[in-house]
This record gives sequence, C-alpha cells and structure tokens, in this order.
Amino acid sequence: EAAVTQSPRNKVTVTGGNVTLSCRQTNSHNYMYWYRQDTGHGLRLIHYSYGAGNLQIGDVPDGYKATRTTQEDFFLLLELASPSQTSLYFCASSDGLGNQDTQYFGPGTRLLVL
Amino acid sequence: GQGVEQPAKLMSVEGTFARVNCTYSTSGFNGLSWYQQREGQAPVFLSYVVLDGLKDSGHFSTFLSRSNGYSYLLLTELQIKDSASYLCAVRDQTGGYKVVFGSGTRLLVSP
Repeated sequence: EAAVTQSPRNKVTVTGGNVTLSCRQTNSHNYMYWYRQDTGHGLRLIHYSYGAGNLQIGDVPDGYKATRTTQEDFFLLLELASPSQTSLYFCASSDGLGNQDTQYFGPGTRLLVL
Repeated sequence: GQGVEQPAKLMSVEGTFARVNCTYSTSGFNGLSWYQQREGQAPVFLSYVVLDGLKDSGHFSTFLSRSNGYSYLLLTELQIKDSASYLCAVRDQTGGYKVVFGSGTRLLVSP
C-alpha cells in the first residue's frame, strides 16, 4: 500500500483555470512538501508544512497556494493557472526527526496548462 | 549563493562501475542524501551521509568531503537496471527542514 498518494495523476487545464492538487500520506509524518520538477531544474520546493494548519514558503512559491488541513492531507492550489506552471508535481512527506529525515515521495501529478 | 550541481549525463558499461558526482555550496551543512529516480517515477531514497569519508553500502557507496563541498555516489557491478537518474540533495543548517536538490545525473548503462 502506497504511503503517499496524489490525485489526480494527470490534469489538463486552460490558462486562467483553477486547479487543486491533492496529497495524502499515511506515514504519520509531520512534514509534507510540494515540489515541481522540470527538465534542467530538478526538484524545486514550492511550499511545505510541519503540521495541520501550518504553511511554510519554499523556493518557488509564486502563483501557488497551499493548505494543510490535517496531518495526512496537503493541497496545492493554482488559482489562475499559467502555461509556465506546466510541470510534474511531486508531494513528499518526512518525519522531521533527526538529520537524515528521509523524504518519501508520491507518484506525481502531470499538469498541462494550455 | 546556495546551489547543488551535478553533471547532466553519465554513461557506463554493464559489469563495471559508475561514479556520480555532486558539488554543493550552502550556507550551512546538515547532511547530504542520494535518491534514485527511474523514468516517469518518483525519487526513492538511497543513502545519507553527514561525516567525511566513504560509506560502503554494497552496490551503492557514498563519499563525502565537507571541506570541498563534494560528494559522489559509486555504483559497482553495474546492471542495465541501474539506468536511472540519481539526485543529490543537501540540507542546510539555516533552512529548517528544507533540502536543495540538484538537477540529477542521468546514468545510462549499456551492455
């Protein structure tokens, strides 16, 4: 059973559209992250959270909002999607304890903004 | 500035070895991790190092030199299935629980 799941797996929208990407983890982890992955850039952190109701800004937050409703659920919101947000989005979780803090990734969501 | 650099591509031959390099520049250092990512799939954790020297984990070994801001992942007895991207991720002391990922090295193992 996958411990980090994402939905939808694929999404097509138009410029200006409203998109919500969902992530759920059953690892009982405190930390959750949203990344985007683009050719030549690797994984870039958008937002992250260390618990329900908490939100921290990542390295590329512009155009994105996020909300952590429970320990398990973390959402990424694109309220006015633009073609530059076409990307592969990964959610991850970690326990946040100790230095190693391994991240466990979901399967990813491919978003195409036309 | 803060950055993690990796070569984009690496080619090697089945049965031999491959060394995937990573250089980093961060405001602090709190450990370096390696992840494997197959095409179209999510990254998967391989190894974590925080002390200088070589950490031998069998098929995957890792080396770290903090003074040089350098690490490598060494894959021995390569198999075709080792063809994948390998991501280096550095955690700095000032970034809380953020890590900075390199762009990844795509390793191609040929017969």
